[in-house]
Amino acid sequence: QQQVKQSPQSLIVQKGGISIINCAYENTAFDYFPWYQQFPGKGPALLIAIRPDVSEKKEGRFTISFNKSAKQFSLHIMDSQPGDSATYFCAARGYGGSQGNLIFGKGTKLSVKP
Amino acid sequence: EAQVTQNPRYLITVTGKKLTVTCSQNMNHEYMSWYRQDPGLGLRQIYYSMNVEVTDKGDVPEGYKVSRKEKRNFPLILESPSPNQTSLYFCASSYGRRNTEAFFGQGTRLTVV
Repeated sequence: QQQVKQSPQSLIVQKGGISIINCAYENTAFDYFPWYQQFPGKGPALLIAIRPDVSEKKEGRFTISFNKSAKQFSLHIMDSQPGDSATYFCAARGYGGSQGNLIFGKGTKLSVKP
Repeated sequence: EAQVTQNPRYLITVTGKKLTVTCSQNMNHEYMSWYRQDPGLGLRQIYYSMNVEVTDKGDVPEGYKVSRKEKRNFPLILESPSPNQTSLYFCASSYGRRNTEAFFGQGTRLTVV
Protein backbone atom coordinates (compact mmCIF):
# COMPACT_ATOMS: atom_id res chain seq x y z
CA GLN A 1 0.00 0.00 0.00
CA GLN A 2 2.85 2.36 0.85
CA GLN A 3 5.06 1.45 -2.07
CA VAL A 4 5.89 3.47 -5.13
CA LYS A 5 7.14 1.27 -7.96
CA GLN A 6 9.51 2.92 -10.44
CA SER A 7 10.79 1.71 -13.79
CA PRO A 8 13.13 1.33 -15.53
CA GLN A 9 16.05 0.97 -13.15
CA SER A 10 18.38 2.43 -15.77
CA LEU A 11 17.89 4.23 -19.05
CA ILE A 12 20.21 5.20 -21.88
CA VAL A 13 19.00 7.83 -24.32
CA GLN A 14 20.66 9.61 -27.20
CA LYS A 15 21.03 13.37 -27.07
CA GLY A 16 17.87 14.98 -28.35
CA GLY A 17 15.73 11.96 -27.57
CA ILE A 18 12.84 11.60 -25.14
CA SER A 19 13.44 10.02 -21.74
CA ILE A 20 10.45 8.42 -20.06
CA ILE A 21 10.36 7.15 -16.49
CA ASN A 22 7.28 5.52 -15.03
CA CYS A 23 5.92 5.15 -11.52
CA ALA A 24 2.92 3.37 -10.06
CA TYR A 25 1.31 3.48 -6.65
CA GLU A 26 -1.41 1.67 -4.74
CA ASN A 27 -2.41 4.02 -1.96
CA THR A 28 -5.28 6.23 -3.07
CA ALA A 29 -4.58 8.55 -0.12
CA PHE A 30 -1.48 9.87 -1.87
CA ASP A 31 -2.13 13.43 -2.99
CA TYR A 32 1.22 14.88 -4.01
CA PHE A 33 3.67 13.41 -6.50
CA PRO A 34 7.11 15.01 -6.85
CA TRP A 35 10.10 14.03 -8.92
CA TYR A 36 13.59 14.51 -7.54
CA GLN A 37 16.82 14.73 -9.51
CA GLN A 38 20.13 13.64 -8.03
CA PHE A 39 23.57 14.25 -9.51
CA PRO A 40 26.55 12.19 -8.35
CA GLY A 41 27.87 13.38 -5.01
CA LYS A 42 24.83 15.58 -4.37
CA GLY A 43 21.61 15.29 -2.49
CA PRO A 44 18.30 14.93 -4.34
CA ALA A 45 16.66 18.19 -5.43
CA LEU A 46 13.04 18.82 -6.36
CA LEU A 47 12.59 18.86 -10.14
CA ILE A 48 8.85 19.06 -10.70
CA ALA A 49 5.70 17.99 -8.86
CA ILE A 50 2.04 17.41 -9.53
CA ARG A 51 -1.19 17.05 -7.59
CA PRO A 52 -3.87 14.58 -8.71
CA ASP A 53 -6.37 17.24 -9.74
CA VAL A 54 -4.44 17.80 -12.99
CA SER A 55 -3.37 15.30 -15.63
CA GLU A 56 -0.24 17.03 -16.83
CA LYS A 57 2.30 19.59 -15.71
CA LYS A 58 5.06 20.99 -17.84
CA GLU A 59 8.14 22.95 -16.84
CA GLY A 60 10.50 23.59 -19.70
CA ARG A 61 11.63 20.25 -21.12
CA PHE A 62 10.21 18.30 -18.18
CA THR A 63 6.62 17.06 -18.11
CA ILE A 64 4.72 14.97 -15.58
CA SER A 65 1.80 12.96 -16.90
CA PHE A 66 -0.64 11.72 -14.27
CA ASN A 67 -3.29 9.01 -14.67
CA LYS A 68 -5.38 8.91 -11.51
CA SER A 69 -7.57 5.98 -12.54
CA ALA A 70 -4.55 3.83 -13.37
CA LYS A 71 -2.61 5.12 -10.33
CA GLN A 72 0.38 5.87 -12.51
CA PHE A 73 2.50 8.90 -13.24
CA SER A 74 5.47 9.46 -15.45
CA LEU A 75 8.27 11.90 -16.16
CA HIS A 76 9.04 12.86 -19.73
CA ILE A 77 12.25 14.68 -20.58
CA MET A 78 12.08 16.16 -24.05
CA ASP A 79 15.21 16.91 -26.08
CA SER A 80 17.33 15.07 -23.51
CA GLN A 81 20.79 16.54 -22.93
CA PRO A 82 23.99 15.06 -21.47
CA GLY A 83 23.53 17.45 -18.54
CA ASP A 84 20.30 15.59 -17.69
CA SER A 85 22.33 12.49 -16.83
CA ALA A 86 21.41 11.84 -13.22
CA THR A 87 19.35 9.58 -11.01
CA TYR A 88 15.65 10.40 -10.90
CA PHE A 89 13.34 9.48 -8.05
CA CYS A 90 9.58 9.62 -8.11
CA ALA A 91 7.83 10.01 -4.79
CA ALA A 92 4.39 10.24 -3.25
CA ARG A 93 3.01 11.82 -0.12
CA GLY A 94 -0.23 11.03 1.59
CA TYR A 95 -2.41 12.77 4.10
CA GLY A 96 -2.24 12.32 7.84
CA GLY A 97 -0.37 9.95 10.15
CA SER A 98 2.69 8.28 8.68
CA GLN A 99 1.22 8.88 5.24
CA GLY A 100 2.35 12.47 5.53
CA ASN A 101 5.89 11.35 4.79
CA LEU A 102 7.42 11.13 1.34
CA ILE A 103 7.64 7.59 -0.07
CA PHE A 104 10.30 7.27 -2.77
CA GLY A 105 10.63 4.94 -5.70
CA LYS A 106 13.90 3.06 -6.10
CA GLY A 107 15.29 5.45 -8.66
CA THR A 108 16.20 5.48 -12.36
CA LYS A 109 19.72 6.17 -13.51
CA LEU A 110 19.53 8.14 -16.74
CA SER A 111 22.49 8.40 -19.10
CA VAL A 112 22.19 10.72 -22.08
CA LYS A 113 24.78 9.94 -24.75
CA PRO A 114 26.20 12.80 -26.86
CA GLU B 1 22.15 30.76 1.28
CA ALA B 2 19.36 28.37 2.24
CA GLN B 3 20.86 25.00 2.92
CA VAL B 4 20.92 21.75 4.85
CA THR B 5 24.40 20.95 6.14
CA GLN B 6 25.54 17.49 7.11
CA ASN B 7 28.79 16.51 8.76
CA PRO B 8 30.90 14.61 8.18
CA ARG B 9 30.65 13.98 4.44
CA TYR B 10 32.64 10.76 4.70
CA LEU B 11 33.17 8.49 7.67
CA ILE B 12 34.84 5.11 8.13
CA THR B 13 34.35 3.52 11.52
CA VAL B 14 34.57 0.18 13.24
CA THR B 15 31.74 -2.02 14.41
CA GLY B 16 30.36 -0.97 17.77
CA LYS B 17 31.92 2.47 17.98
CA LYS B 18 29.22 5.05 18.64
CA LEU B 19 28.95 7.86 16.13
CA THR B 20 26.84 10.90 15.41
CA VAL B 21 26.08 12.48 12.07
CA THR B 22 25.02 16.08 12.44
CA CYS B 23 22.41 17.90 10.38
CA SER B 24 21.61 21.58 10.51
CA GLN B 25 19.25 23.73 8.43
CA ASN B 26 19.07 27.52 8.22
CA MET B 27 15.55 27.86 6.79
CA ASN B 28 13.57 27.71 10.04
CA HIS B 29 11.93 24.51 8.82
CA GLU B 30 9.73 22.56 11.20
CA TYR B 31 9.98 19.17 9.53
CA MET B 32 13.25 17.25 9.30
CA SER B 33 14.02 13.67 8.38
CA TRP B 34 16.81 11.20 7.78
CA TYR B 35 17.06 8.82 4.83
CA ARG B 36 19.47 6.15 3.81
CA GLN B 37 20.20 5.43 0.17
CA ASP B 38 21.32 2.00 -0.94
CA PRO B 39 21.81 0.72 -4.49
CA GLY B 40 18.59 -0.71 -5.87
CA LEU B 41 16.61 0.29 -2.79
CA GLY B 42 16.24 4.02 -3.34
CA LEU B 43 15.68 6.37 -0.42
CA ARG B 44 14.26 4.91 2.75
CA GLN B 45 13.22 7.03 5.69
CA ILE B 46 14.87 6.30 9.02
CA TYR B 47 13.34 8.85 11.39
CA TYR B 48 11.51 12.12 11.10
CA SER B 49 10.68 15.05 13.32
CA MET B 50 7.70 17.35 13.00
CA ASN B 51 9.07 19.88 15.47
CA VAL B 52 11.28 20.33 18.52
CA GLU B 53 11.05 17.33 20.85
CA VAL B 54 8.71 15.52 18.41
CA THR B 55 10.28 12.56 16.62
CA ASP B 56 8.95 9.34 15.14
CA LYS B 57 10.15 6.24 13.38
CA GLY B 58 10.27 5.96 9.63
CA ASP B 59 10.48 2.77 7.62
CA VAL B 60 13.92 1.55 8.73
CA PRO B 61 14.59 2.86 12.27
CA GLU B 62 16.37 -0.18 13.77
CA GLY B 63 19.86 0.64 15.03
CA TYR B 64 19.39 4.42 14.89
CA LYS B 65 18.44 7.17 17.30
CA VAL B 66 17.65 10.83 16.76
CA SER B 67 17.01 13.88 18.86
CA ARG B 68 15.49 17.29 18.17
CA LYS B 69 16.40 19.69 20.93
CA GLU B 70 16.66 22.72 18.67
CA LYS B 71 14.64 23.54 15.59
CA ARG B 72 17.67 23.81 13.31
CA ASN B 73 19.48 20.61 14.34
CA PHE B 74 18.55 16.97 13.90
CA PRO B 75 21.48 14.62 14.62
CA LEU B 76 21.47 10.94 13.71
CA ILE B 77 23.04 8.65 16.28
CA LEU B 78 24.33 5.15 15.74
CA GLU B 79 24.91 3.73 19.21
CA SER B 80 26.58 0.50 18.02
CA PRO B 81 27.15 0.61 14.28
CA SER B 82 27.18 -2.61 12.30
CA PRO B 83 28.36 -3.33 8.74
CA ASN B 84 24.77 -3.43 7.46
CA GLN B 85 24.54 0.28 8.29
CA THR B 86 27.14 1.03 5.65
CA SER B 87 25.20 3.40 3.42
CA LEU B 88 24.76 6.91 2.07
CA TYR B 89 22.75 9.03 4.48
CA PHE B 90 20.75 12.15 3.72
CA CYS B 91 19.13 14.68 5.99
CA ALA B 92 16.19 16.65 4.61
CA SER B 93 14.01 19.48 5.82
CA SER B 94 10.84 21.24 4.76
CA TYR B 95 8.73 24.06 6.13
CA GLY B 96 5.96 21.67 7.09
CA ARG B 97 5.37 17.98 6.74
CA ARG B 98 3.02 18.64 3.87
CA ASN B 99 5.05 21.42 2.36
CA THR B 100 5.78 20.96 -1.30
CA GLU B 101 9.56 20.86 -1.28
CA ALA B 102 12.03 18.88 0.79
CA PHE B 103 15.58 20.25 0.82
CA PHE B 104 18.32 17.65 1.10
CA GLY B 105 21.82 17.86 2.48
CA GLN B 106 24.88 16.76 0.52
CA GLY B 107 24.94 13.34 2.09
CA THR B 108 27.20 11.39 4.45
CA ARG B 109 28.85 8.27 3.15
CA LEU B 110 29.32 5.90 6.09
CA THR B 111 31.39 2.74 6.02
CA VAL B 112 31.33 0.39 9.00
CA VAL B 113 34.07 -2.23 9.02
